[in-house]
Amino acid sequence: GAGVSQTPSNKVTEKGKYVELRCDPISGHTALYWYRQSLGQGPEFLIYFQGTGAADDSGLPNDRFFAVRPEGSVSTLKIQRTERGDSAVYLCASSLIAGGGELFFGEGSRLTVL
Amino acid sequence: DAKTTQPTSMDCAEGRAANLPCNHSTISGNEYVYWYRQIHSQGPQYIIHGLKNNETNEMASLIITEDRKSSTLILPHATLRDTAVYYCIATEYNNNDMRFGAGTRLTVKP
Repeated sequence: GAGVSQTPSNKVTEKGKYVELRCDPISGHTALYWYRQSLGQGPEFLIYFQGTGAADDSGLPNDRFFAVRPEGSVSTLKIQRTERGDSAVYLCASSLIAGGGELFFGEGSRLTVL
Repeated sequence: DAKTTQPTSMDCAEGRAANLPCNHSTISGNEYVYWYRQIHSQGPQYIIHGLKNNETNEMASLIITEDRKSSTLILPHATLRDTAVYYCIATEYNNNDMRFGAGTRLTVKP
């Protein structure tokens, strides 16, 4: 596709369950980012990939959160033992090169933990 | 990233210029000023960035003061579709963790 694609667009789960959110970046973009956005706030950085490796995971809130990008393209954000406080919109972005400032965002995956 | 300060909200009349201010008084010499916007229920969209010279593209103009402590994003002829939250970010060009604040909620009114 032409833009960053995220699935699912909406996910409702119960507290304690495991969740996977998928991001398909723009073809050819080497850098991929995950952000989390709570209601009324700006996006909060979680993790950044350059190729297959997580170059900066300093924003991951705790060890329940993990992300992979095994082939340097599609990425999956994994959340274990979900908590109600994990409810947010999870945004993925990609860029042609690392840094450079112009990130292309997907429309996000809205996660609701009941 | 240098801290940025933006007004919480602003209104603008349709067809008029929208001037969105941003204060970044602690910006360092190698930090750029970036602007993104986020329309309701969508992901953020890149608008423009600059270092010290004024910049213009098809979406907006960016005016950076000579001391680089503040900047203004100008939408020359605002339309209803420009209603969005606008984020100003000061960060190094090769920084990989763009940090968003709360932004300015711009409402364009008919």
